[in-house]
Amino acid sequence: GAGVSQSPSNKVTEKGKDVELRCDPISGHTALYWYRQSLGQGLEFLIYFQGNSAPDKSGLPSDRFSAERTGGSVSTLTIQRTQQEDSAVYLCASSIGLAGGDTQYFGPGTRLTVL
Amino acid sequence: RKEVEQDPGPFNVPEGATVAFNCTYSNSASQSFFWYRQDCRKEPKLLMSVYSSGNEDGRFTAQLNRASQYISLLIRDSKLSDSATYLCVVNGQAGTALIFGKGTTLSVSS
Repeated sequence: GAGVSQSPSNKVTEKGKDVELRCDPISGHTALYWYRQSLGQGLEFLIYFQGNSAPDKSGLPSDRFSAERTGGSVSTLTIQRTQQEDSAVYLCASSIGLAGGDTQYFGPGTRLTVL
Repeated sequence: RKEVEQDPGPFNVPEGATVAFNCTYSNSASQSFFWYRQDCRKEPKLLMSVYSSGNEDGRFTAQLNRASQYISLLIRDSKLSDSATYLCVVNGQAGTALIFGKGTTLSVSS
């Protein structure tokens, strides 16, 4: 069956530009997560959506980062005025949504390079 | 203390070896525990959940020690295909996202 999909798979941008990354979760999954992973590093939690609840934005590193989830399905992560330190793989995951304790299924990620 | 800590390795073992990874977590209220596997330049994938009584899946055995707040993963009869990074994962506060350790790298050689 269809898993989590993300687009684009690769994005190269210039410093100062805005970028939008898209995530399509598994159908029926109410929870959606964004992480980023820098080269050789662990996963860094960014933001978590659960159903209609207010998202947990506690992991967003600065106000240049924002995310929204429309209609409880597709999510978009936006990075404004990108900086070189934003270069990383941005991973999206979804889960059925059992209070944050259930299995997360990851998309293939978007590799962002800021020149 | 970091929320989830793992020995980063790398663990370099020959085929057929038995290798064990440990992980400690700081939140005593955690209820869900997992091991994920991440291949180079790929996304993490669930390897197995970890249950209080311990559980086994083929060559893989996971154990949980709540009193000491650590989780272990034992791999028996290592295969070349087991080479990957193994991520220890614990749930955070109720209703929040899972917390991932930085991972332990395993390299199995022939």
